[in-house]
Amino acid sequence: KQEVTQIPAALSVPEGENLVLNCSFTDSAIYNLQWFRQDPGKGLTSLLLIQSSQREQTSGRLNASLDKSSGRSTLYIAASQPGDSATYLCAVRSDRGSTLGRLYFGRGTQLTVWP
Amino acid sequence: EAQVTQNPRYLITVTGKKLTVTCSQNMNHEYMSWYRQDPGLGLRQIYYSMNVEVTDKGDVPEGYKVSRKEKRNFPLILESPSPNQTSLYFCASSLLGVNTEAFFGQGTRLTVV
Repeated sequence: KQEVTQIPAALSVPEGENLVLNCSFTDSAIYNLQWFRQDPGKGLTSLLLIQSSQREQTSGRLNASLDKSSGRSTLYIAASQPGDSATYLCAVRSDRGSTLGRLYFGRGTQLTVWP
Repeated sequence: EAQVTQNPRYLITVTGKKLTVTCSQNMNHEYMSWYRQDPGLGLRQIYYSMNVEVTDKGDVPEGYKVSRKEKRNFPLILESPSPNQTSLYFCASSLLGVNTEAFFGQGTRLTVV
């Protein structure tokens, strides 16, 4: 069964720092990997989608990489701001027959950026 | 605007009183699913559907039912809610394939007393 792990579970940094959030998964049979942001008690906002054949995707200050063979992804946040404070979730979409299309989530990294 | 709409957003109910949480998407997506989110446990899939009249259990289906009579709608039914079903619920939809972004509803916070 696919297992997704996110490290660290929580991170607290001063404004302006560059950050790296990590995501690992056990089964490389994936369609894609998606990073989400979730504010407390709110819904999930999609940040970046990386297809299984891609190595990275960028959106503004965010850059996500994918190494499918080693089962790893990183989310890089440049010049962090207090408004980046949220929980960041990583999810992989299964490409394996019995679980085709299913999303598997990590438990998230809770990020706090203080002024 | 492409969206997944859940209703209600907040619900407080009593044990045993049947309820339905609705989910509707306007993107013609085949794949729809329901998740619950609990502190320390993350998001867990309850049920999913790969197309009309095709549904299957996720990781935590006990106490829930779903139906997929139309492509756009995927309601979650709690026949006899219990306090352990107090949670934050999310509906999601997507196409199937490589370049398929998952879209989530805004969530339904359910409290069963």
